[in-house]
This record gives sequence, C-alpha cells and structure tokens, in this order.
Amino acid sequence: GAVVSQHPSWVICKSGTSVKIECRSLDFQATTMFWYRQFPKQSLMLMATSNEGSKATYEQGVEKDKFLINHASLTLSTLTVTSAHPEDSSFYICSARESQGLAGSPLHFGNGTRLTVT
Amino acid sequence: SQKIEQNSEALNIQEGKTATLTCNYTNYSPAYLQWYRQDPGRGPVFLLLIRENEKEKRKERLKVTFDTTLKQSLFHITASQPADSATYLCALDTYNAGNMLTFGGGTRLMVKP
Repeated sequence: GAVVSQHPSWVICKSGTSVKIECRSLDFQATTMFWYRQFPKQSLMLMATSNEGSKATYEQGVEKDKFLINHASLTLSTLTVTSAHPEDSSFYICSARESQGLAGSPLHFGNGTRLTVT
Repeated sequence: SQKIEQNSEALNIQEGKTATLTCNYTNYSPAYLQWYRQDPGRGPVFLLLIRENEKEKRKERLKVTFDTTLKQSLFHITASQPADSATYLCALDTYNAGNMLTFGGGTRLMVKP
C-alpha cells in the first residue's frame, strides 16, 4: 500500500530557531500534499495544501511566512517552522493522495512530528 | 456555518459488543465520506469510504452507513476487541473542496476485555 514517510518523528528546539519537517511519498507520486496540525485531543486542522512546482495554498489564519512549505518534487514536501515559539509546539502531520489527488481517493498520512519549542 | 460533529466523549464498551460511532454534518453536500483510525502519537489510517449514492459499505468487521437526508454517517465495529481501541475520525470530501478532506473532531473508543 501507499506509504508516506515523515521525518523527524519528534524534535525539541529552542525558541527563535527554525525546524524543518520532511514528508515523502515512498511508492507513489503526489502532486498535492497536505499539512495538518493537531492539538491534544483535538481534530486535525488543515494548515496548507502543498502543490508540486507552485506555491502552497494556506488556510485562513495560517501565517505563510512562519510556516514555509516547499514541494520541490513529486515525492517530497517540506514544512519549515521559522522562528519557533512555544505556542508552535504541536503535532504536525502530512498527508498525500494517490491517483493524482482525485476526489474520493483516501489520504495517506505520515506518522506525524511532535514539535516541542522550549 | 459548516460543521462536522462527532461525539467528543469517549465510548466505552465491552469486548465482543458492537461499537457504533456517529458523524453528523451541517451545511455540507459531501460527495464522499471517509472514516479513519488514529492511534495516539500516530497519523490517521484510512479505513472505509462511502459515496453519496451508497447507503452502506462493509469491510470485515466494519460497517458504515451514509444517510444524506439525515446528514449522518454511522460507523459500526462488530465483535469489538481491545485492539480496536483508538480514536475514529470521519472526514467529508466535497466536489468543490479542492481535493481536501475536512475532518470531524473524532471519537475515542475504548474496548474493555
């Protein structure tokens, strides 16, 4: 089955530093990847849609200059949390769809990255 | 406003019983509805998809129903096992959603031996 690999699985960083999270589709191509954020016992909140070869589409309220997304190839999207603050501490999850992102096809998720900013 | 509502309280059942989880939505016209399982500290895993013109879908011990009149989906796990304990998320997929899914808040299921 389709596998999405996310790295790192957890990271601790100091306030003011930047952290990069990678999301790779291992056995399929993904022109579109999605980045979610999840707080404890809450649902997934879509942050942005990452489009291969073009700019990401950010959801309302998500700062694009703070959460930099790069989708340089059909199998790799990265999320960089810039100048991280403690309130950025959260669980970040990426996902991708097979079948060229057709509606109705299931999402395949990475295992998430637990970010802790001290 | 658009809402997807799942029971935020945990559902506790005894092993062997049928678990039934509810997903209600308002102000959506979903083309598809999907159910995912999420274990603590992990990403969600796809379980089942049901289309707007389907009433019921089954997969092994899982059954999903979709009532577009009631704007509700029910997710059933028969002969539940402690290993079924997890959070279950429903997600809506609309024709105009730009290929993105919108998730409900999830319901935590606890199956006790």
